[in-house]
Amino acid sequence: NAGVTQTPKFRVLKTGQSMTLLCAQDMNHEYMYWYRQDPGMGLRLIHYSVGEGTTAKGEVPDGYNVSRLKKQNFLLGLESAAPSQTSVYFCASRWPGHPGEAFFGQGTRLTVV
Amino acid sequence: KQEVTQIPAALSVPEGENLVLNCSFTDSAIYNLQWFRQDPGKGLTSLLLIQSSQREQTSGRLNASLDKSSGRSTLYIAASQPGDSATYLCAVRHSNSGYALNFGKGTSLLVTP
Repeated sequence: NAGVTQTPKFRVLKTGQSMTLLCAQDMNHEYMYWYRQDPGMGLRLIHYSVGEGTTAKGEVPDGYNVSRLKKQNFLLGLESAAPSQTSVYFCASRWPGHPGEAFFGQGTRLTVV
Repeated sequence: KQEVTQIPAALSVPEGENLVLNCSFTDSAIYNLQWFRQDPGKGLTSLLLIQSSQREQTSGRLNASLDKSSGRSTLYIAASQPGDSATYLCAVRHSNSGYALNFGKGTSLLVTP
């Protein structure tokens, strides 16, 4: 089982460039999430989606946009990358309600220079 | 806002020891609590999920307990092995938000041979 797959795994961007991170899950989960992980800060929620066609802001949404055109995919976009967006990005998914166990992808390590 | 704290931040033990990792949360109105393991440069692997109505969950050498009223959870690892070396993360899903997990900053565990 593939579970949650993130593409790409590594990327280096120059300040001002744009890119899209792709998250794909094959578990038919309704809910999907994008987190970023920074040293000393833990994991913080960027955006999330509770179903196809829906998105909502999390704790740190500024500088990011998301789309959920298909149930299995959740895209995270950076329109104009900044060095402060250097981080490791994780995607997660789960069923709503019980039991609600969350499954994570392997992460995307992004460096903005 | 739900605050999740993990103590200690780092722990080093000799192989074979039993150990306890602690997680505390400020708002006891949680839906569930999930323990994860993260190896360096890797994604998050779910270890145990405890629903708010449960007191504990066990998987192999791992046992997680939950005391919702006092806002605490513990992860007990029996007979530790060098392969247990990793960062352990605690995450709480709040009943009202229902959507995302709030993470602690983790405990970095090193088990020495």
